[in-house]
Amino acid sequence: GNSVTQMEGPVTLSEEAFLTINCTYTATGYPSLFWYVQYPGEGLQLLLKATKADDKGSNKGFEATYRKETTSFHLEKGSVQVSDSAVYFCALSVSGYSTLTFGKGTMLLVSP
Amino acid sequence: DAGVIQSPRHEVTEMGQEVTLRCKPISGHNSLFWYRQTMMRGLELLIYFNNNVPIDDSGMPEDRFSAKMPNASFSTLKIQPSEPRDSAVYFCASSTSGAGHGYTFGSGTRLTVV
Repeated sequence: GNSVTQMEGPVTLSEEAFLTINCTYTATGYPSLFWYVQYPGEGLQLLLKATKADDKGSNKGFEATYRKETTSFHLEKGSVQVSDSAVYFCALSVSGYSTLTFGKGTMLLVSP
Repeated sequence: DAGVIQSPRHEVTEMGQEVTLRCKPISGHNSLFWYRQTMMRGLELLIYFNNNVPIDDSGMPEDRFSAKMPNASFSTLKIQPSEPRDSAVYFCASSTSGAGHGYTFGSGTRLTVV
């Protein structure tokens, strides 16, 4: 079946630190990969995506590279801000299936 | 586009009462999803529709929950009777067909059953 595994949180960083949130996946078929972000009190928002191997998705200073050989899609940002504090979800979808498979989410807390 | 619109944003109700949550998907999206989010269980898919037809309702907790999509621009999730353990944030999301599109989520309805 399809599954997504994310590192457990919370991840606690100081402002301007480097961020990595690990995500690995298992998929039957050739997946598209996504990162969603959920700010407090809001719904999930699509942060970035990649639809084929070696693609790099990027948005708002975040980036993630689709690594087929390691079945990974790690989220990175060079310098986090307090406003990046949120829960981050890794997800995948496989052609022929309508539903996304989500990881459990990783909370990021950034302090000034 | 205004995005996926959910109403109400907050609902407080007494145990045993009927609760109806509403969702308007993005125009042109042909798939609609209802999720529930709690601290204990995280994000759970309850049911999804494709072209207004329910495809998979295996996530619906029990018979007290029902969902309808009478047309392409409206869906409801009903809980009757409601119980305190139904307290959660309920999200609606919509998408177009195809693996690479992802979902657009609404802002959610925070339900509290007292």
